Amino acid sequence: EVQLLESGGGLVQPGGSLRLSCAASGFTFSSYAMSWVRQAPGKGLEWVSAIDTSGAGTYYADSVKGRFTISRDNSKITLYLQMSSLRAEDTAVYYCAKATNPVGAFDFWGQGTLVTVSS
Amino acid sequence: IVLTQSPATLSVSPGERATLSCRASQSVSSYLAWYQQKPGQAPRLLIYDASNRATGIPARFSGSGSGTDFTLTISSLEPEDFAVYYCQHRSSRPPVYTFGQGTNLEIK
Repeated sequence: EVQLLESGGGLVQPGGSLRLSCAASGFTFSSYAMSWVRQAPGKGLEWVSAIDTSGAGTYYADSVKGRFTISRDNSKITLYLQMSSLRAEDTAVYYCAKATNPVGAFDFWGQGTLVTVSS
Repeated sequence: IVLTQSPATLSVSPGERATLSCRASQSVSSYLAWYQQKPGQAPRLLIYDASNRATGIPARFSGSGSGTDFTLTISSLEPEDFAVYYCQHRSSRPPVYTFGQGTNLEIK
């Protein structure tokens, strides 16, 4: 059974930093691209960042480019999102999502971790 | 690429058919997915590549379309189908994922 378990969310002040983790199980993690998708309270889904199987290719939404860094450790079967210079508009539930193969959609999602940026 | 879903809210009675629309600002070929999201839950993949049902998705869910116009049809609504539905596309160069704004399917 595929499982994705996010952690690391919480309350952070504007301008602060936070690192999210997503522990994967139930599939060959190193064979699949992964993404982070967020959802602000009461709003729709917004793709944040993606990473290819090796970690060499990383991609970002314009709204987070230069502030967020996605990475993965295939030996630890874990996906990360390092977030810095956080703003109030980054407040959201952050989901870890497994890409289909070939890439195009997301076939499994974690339950999400809430990040709140507020003073 | 911008994905525009309509209507924003759709009111349908259980047992009836629901038809949801997603329009792309330019052709996306057949590279379109649909998701269902219930309150407090993560999204669930329903349809990929416009018309292929994901594993475990009931046959009452079907997707159609290509190019710029796509449809998600739920043939006979069950109580558990009332939720928010999103369409999504992945551009290849650069790799960017886009979601529509969602359609809230509510009980009439």
